[in-house]
Amino acid sequence: DAMVIQNPRYQVTQFGKPVTLSCSQTLNHNVMYWYQQKSSQAPKLLFHYYDKDFNNEADTPDNFQSRRPNTSFCFLDIRSPGLGDAAMYLCATSRSGGLSSYNEQFFGPGTRLTVL
Amino acid sequence: AQSVTQPDIHITVSEGASLELRCNYSYGATPYLFWYVQSPGQGLQLLLKYFSGDTLVQGIKGFEAEFKRSQSSFNLRKPSVHWSDAAEYFCAVGSFTGGGNKLTFGTGTQLKVEL
Repeated sequence: DAMVIQNPRYQVTQFGKPVTLSCSQTLNHNVMYWYQQKSSQAPKLLFHYYDKDFNNEADTPDNFQSRRPNTSFCFLDIRSPGLGDAAMYLCATSRSGGLSSYNEQFFGPGTRLTVL
Repeated sequence: AQSVTQPDIHITVSEGASLELRCNYSYGATPYLFWYVQSPGQGLQLLLKYFSGDTLVQGIKGFEAEFKRSQSSFNLRKPSVHWSDAAEYFCAVGSFTGGGNKLTFGTGTQLKVEL
């Protein structure tokens, strides 16, 4: 089955120690997204890649970076995790859309990040 | 800017009872509306979506939602709730950004089902 895979499902890191979360997809979608969901809150879009074009949300902290080496993979890098970065990180994919064509997003199971 | 309001943070219903979860949106153009469900520790599963056409949309697991433009609402309903429906439900509005699509979520409604 075509799907969105996130590894690891649970990640523990230390305060200030860089961490990378991974997302891969077999849907061959050209758009990949990263959302942050803190406890008891709604998911919030951090950024997305449209093909190789990176699109950052205005309020995403500089501490968060992303890489997309190819269509299938996308990484979320947190350069210096703080306690406030503990959250569920959700990856999603979609086909690109224009104003006349909205394409739904497909979500992975998420990676829960704990910062000690 | 678009926004979504889910006025009920928690709802408790008895198994077999009907359910309605409220959602109000703010969006300047034709809205693309979604309902997602999230079980504890899991990702988001799409229940249903509204893009255009018939204002009553059917989804998976027996859920339906009705789009009412005049009320800016997209409420989710189920005639008879099952214990396995206990989860968090998110309403979202879709918009366009940088070649992709952006989902703006409400704060969610936690559903508890009493046996």
